Amino acid sequence: AQSVAQPEDQVNVAEGNPLTVKCTYSVSGNPYLFWYVQYPNRGLQFLLKYITGDNLVKGSYGFEAEFNKSQTSFHLKKPSALVSDSALYFCAVRDVGYGGSQGNLIFGKGTKLSVKP
Amino acid sequence: DTGVSQNPRHKITKRGQNVTFRCDPISEHNRLYWYRQTLGQGPEFLTYFQNEAQLEKSRLLSDRFSAERPKGSFSTLEIQRTEQGDSAMYLCASSSGTFYEQFFGPGTRLTVL
Repeated sequence: AQSVAQPEDQVNVAEGNPLTVKCTYSVSGNPYLFWYVQYPNRGLQFLLKYITGDNLVKGSYGFEAEFNKSQTSFHLKKPSALVSDSALYFCAVRDVGYGGSQGNLIFGKGTKLSVKP
Repeated sequence: DTGVSQNPRHKITKRGQNVTFRCDPISEHNRLYWYRQTLGQGPEFLTYFQNEAQLEKSRLLSDRFSAERPKGSFSTLEIQRTEQGDSAMYLCASSSGTFYEQFFGPGTRLTVL
């Protein structure tokens, strides 16, 4: 069965410093991985995805993620954090499911990112 | 705004009552998903439509839950005989294909008293 783990409940970073939010996955077959961000009282916003190709994926708002097949990881990174990046971040993997076509996402529990001035 | 919309945004009901939520996906998207999110957890898949056909239902979707997507446009999620354990954020998402990102609506927060 597909699964996603986000080992950190919270990440604290000073503004201007680089940030990393960790994600590991377990899938059968090729992984299709996503990062979403959720601000308070709002829906999830798509940041980036890995389907195939280059292991370094660039996304919205200056975020990027590095796919590492040997470590089964897909960590989210940003070179310089902003206070406005403070939010809840979710890693997700596409569920292959029976027949492999449904496409629903399996989410991690989320990591709260707090960026202090 | 051409994003995914959901109504109502908040719903407070008494245990045992029926509730219905509506989702309007992005117009050109043929795939529509419903998820449920509880505090401190990531969204959990409930059900999935491709056009008007409901192709998958999670085991989380008990017999009290029913979803429709008439004519492949908007979708409704109904919960009958609500229980306190149904209190959650109900999220709707749409996409244009399996490998494409899903766009989420703002959610409907249900509180069952």
